[in-house]
Amino acid sequence: SQQGEEDPQALSIQEGENATMNCSYKTSINNLQWYRQNSGRGLVHLILIRSNEREKHSGRLRVTLDTSKKSSSLLITASRAADTASYFCATRGSSNTGKLIFGQGTTLQVKP
Amino acid sequence: DGGITQSPKYLFRKEGQNVTLSCEQNLNHDAMYWYRQDPGQGLRLIYYSQIVNDFQKGDIAEGYSVSREKKESFPLTVTSAQKNPTAFYLCASSPQSRSSYNEQFFGPGTRLTVL
Repeated sequence: SQQGEEDPQALSIQEGENATMNCSYKTSINNLQWYRQNSGRGLVHLILIRSNEREKHSGRLRVTLDTSKKSSSLLITASRAADTASYFCATRGSSNTGKLIFGQGTTLQVKP
Repeated sequence: DGGITQSPKYLFRKEGQNVTLSCEQNLNHDAMYWYRQDPGQGLRLIYYSQIVNDFQKGDIAEGYSVSREKKESFPLTVTSAQKNPTAFYLCASSPQSRSSYNEQFFGPGTRLTVL
């Protein structure tokens, strides 16, 4: 079962602009992670934010988490053509199984 | 190089045949996972294993089987009972599933097509 939804489903911007993707989820979480997938490839972990954190930065990435609204956002600043990919949020619940539940993903196209 | 490998990259199957997808990791990770991805969709969990000789069903286990005889290997068999097996299959591993903050490391995937 899918935990939640990502919005927008697709996003097209010019190089240099910022890209914002949103993720909503349904149940309580231990942490939320963002992954990137280039076309036809495996996923690569980008950043993890714990349920007691509100904001986290990594290079040009900024992630926020609002547990009261059960939502997260990923901001990519000063985008580059190489950022073109699909981005997925994944939530980890409070159980010890290590299972992640993935959203549907946002496809980002950055035009040079 | 440390990492997680999947083979083959492309696999074609005739209806009624069983096929086995390979997943190997040399990261010394305890936990391993199999996901299915359909076009334009997110990942859905098929099976996962937290330790050798133990595995659990995920959300869409029907028509699939796995084994975990060695820590580094977690093969997935797509059986003839799986009615719509054409998809992209991704294997992942993580250091220790009971640790709350572990990311998952993904292989490059196997694209299975039923002819």
